[in-house]
Amino acid sequence: EVQLVESGGGLVQPGGSLRLSCAASGFTFSSYSMSWVRQAPGKGLEWVSHISSSSSTIYYADSVKGRFTISRDNAKNSLYLQMNSLRDEDTAVYYCARWDSRGYDCWGQGTLVTVSS
Amino acid sequence: QSVLTQPPSASGTPGQRVTISCSGSSSNIGSNSVNWYQHLPGTAPKLLIYTNNQRPSGVPDRFSGSKSGTSASLAISGLQSEDEADYYCAAWDDSLNGPNWVFGGGTKLAVL
Repeated sequence: EVQLVESGGGLVQPGGSLRLSCAASGFTFSSYSMSWVRQAPGKGLEWVSHISSSSSTIYYADSVKGRFTISRDNAKNSLYLQMNSLRDEDTAVYYCARWDSRGYDCWGQGTLVTVSS
Repeated sequence: QSVLTQPPSASGTPGQRVTISCSGSSSNIGSNSVNWYQHLPGTAPKLLIYTNNQRPSGVPDRFSGSKSGTSASLAISGLQSEDEADYYCAAWDDSLNGPNWVFGGGTKLAVL
């Protein structure tokens, strides 16, 4: 069974840092591009970042560029999101999602990040 | 303000046909394929339509998608209570700052 499980969320003060992880199983992780997508309370889905299967291509949303870093470890079947200089507006449920040629076809259940003093 | 524009809400009664629109521009819908996602709060979003009008296996044929120019739409026929969810259109946007995946603001569908 294809599965994505996020972890690492929690409460952090503005200006702080947090590292999210996404553990993948049930498929050949190294063959797929991956992304992070978030949903702030009461808001819609917002794409955050995208990384290709070999990490050779990386994209970021303007809202997180320069503050967030996406990475992956194919040997550990894991995706990461290092979040620095966190702001109140970064409060959201963060989902990792698998990209194939059709779209984001598999998603995790999400991990909640709360930025508050 | 989302790059792709959707109506914030839609509704219908069981058995009815409902359509949700998604308006974009030449840099996104006008030049790239459109996906649709179904999202029930607290759960993982689900890919409903890809490449404008294709359904992944397991998605009922009550769901259909279409695209024309810089707009797209999702139609749900034979509406069922379990269709009550949030629906998002999405596409790659070829912006000057680099490719971005953009979602619509979402449409909350109520089955009355």
